[in-house]
Amino acid sequence: GAGVSQSPSNKVTEKGKDVELRCDPISGHTALYWYRQSLGQGLEFLIYFQGNSAPDKSGLPSDRFSAERTGGSVSTLTIQRTQQEDSAVYLCASSLRPDRASNQPQHFGDGTRLSIL
Amino acid sequence: GQNIDQPTEMTATEGAIVQINCTYQTSGFNGLFWYQQHAGEAPTFLSYNVLDGLEEKGRFSSFLSRSKGYSYLLLKELQMKDSASYLCAVRDKAAGNKLTFGGGTRVLVKP
Repeated sequence: GAGVSQSPSNKVTEKGKDVELRCDPISGHTALYWYRQSLGQGLEFLIYFQGNSAPDKSGLPSDRFSAERTGGSVSTLTIQRTQQEDSAVYLCASSLRPDRASNQPQHFGDGTRLSIL
Repeated sequence: GQNIDQPTEMTATEGAIVQINCTYQTSGFNGLFWYQQHAGEAPTFLSYNVLDGLEEKGRFSSFLSRSKGYSYLLLKELQMKDSASYLCAVRDKAAGNKLTFGGGTRVLVKP
């Protein structure tokens, strides 16, 4: 597709369950980012992938959170043993390689709205 | 790390002008972005500044002063559809060139 695609758009699950969120970036974009946004708040950085480099995981809030990016394209964000405070919108973005194209913006998907009961 | 500050909320009248300020602290500044986010939607790119000065794009302009760690987004001839959150984001070489976002400024345009 032309834009960043995320699935599912909405996810409701019970506390303690694991969830997996998917992001399909724009074709040709080597950089991929995950953010979390709580209601009325700004974007909280979670993790950043750039090509084959080791990901920047500095924003992951706990070891229950993990992400992978297979084949340099699709990424999945996994949250294990979900807690109610994990409820938020999870946004994925992609861009061209920022160190070679610093003026290139990140393009965002529509997000996954996660609700933990 | 980065520190990015912007006001939480602003109110303005349709047809007027609003200026949203953003101050930042970085060790390896490599560009500043402004995004617009309507409620329940994804952020969309508005503008980019890396050199000092003003960039104009129709009703929207963005200004940067690197020495002061300061930017503003100027919205002219406000329309009701401009009611949204406006996010300031800074790219920092020292942080792997990823964007760090401010908390966003919610702008409410009143008739």
